[in-house]
Amino acid sequence: SQTIHQWPATLVQPVGSPLSLECTVEGTSNPNLYWYRQAAGRGLQLLFYSVGIGQISSEVPQNLSASRPQDRQFILSSKKLLLSDSGFYLCAWSVQGWNIQYFGAGTRLSVL
Amino acid sequence: AQSVTQLDSHVSVSEGTPVLLRCNYSSSYSPSLFWYVQHPNKGLQLLLKYTSAATLVKGINGFEAEFKKSETSFHLTKPSAHMSDAAEYFCVVSSDTGRRALTFGSGTRLQVQP
Repeated sequence: SQTIHQWPATLVQPVGSPLSLECTVEGTSNPNLYWYRQAAGRGLQLLFYSVGIGQISSEVPQNLSASRPQDRQFILSSKKLLLSDSGFYLCAWSVQGWNIQYFGAGTRLSVL
Repeated sequence: AQSVTQLDSHVSVSEGTPVLLRCNYSSSYSPSLFWYVQHPNKGLQLLLKYTSAATLVKGINGFEAEFKKSETSFHLTKPSAHMSDAAEYFCVVSSDTGRRALTFGSGTRLQVQP
């Protein structure tokens, strides 16, 4: 069966520090991969999605970037965090051509 | 373009009473619709999905939703609430465009009183 892993579960970072959140999927090949952010009391906002290695589409211009160095690995990064980057970050995957997405457990990021 | 409106940000019910969480959608394409549930500090779990088959969709944990095209609605219901149902619920629409991205509603927090 397929599983999705996200880490770390929680992270507290100072303003201006770098960020790296990692997501890996097991049990499937060539998945679509997604990064979402959930701000407090709000719905989910799609940040990036990827249909293959090295293929990244950005939905919202901002302080973050994403990379897909391997088929089942998706990384969310920032060179310098802002206070507004605080939130709950969720990684998701789907089978190519299907629209059902499966989510990881999320990372709670607090930028202080 | 597509959008989702969840009509209630908070719903409070008593244990054993029915649950109704309301959702209206807008989509330029034939939509696929989903309900996800999120317990505190957890990821999202798929409750049920509508993908143009039967309009009444049954999901996990006794939940079901009815797709009404004339009303552009996809309300989530459960006959009898359980304490474990307390969580945030998201109505989601997906277009049939290639990238298969999801558009989320703002969520409805369900409280279940003993």
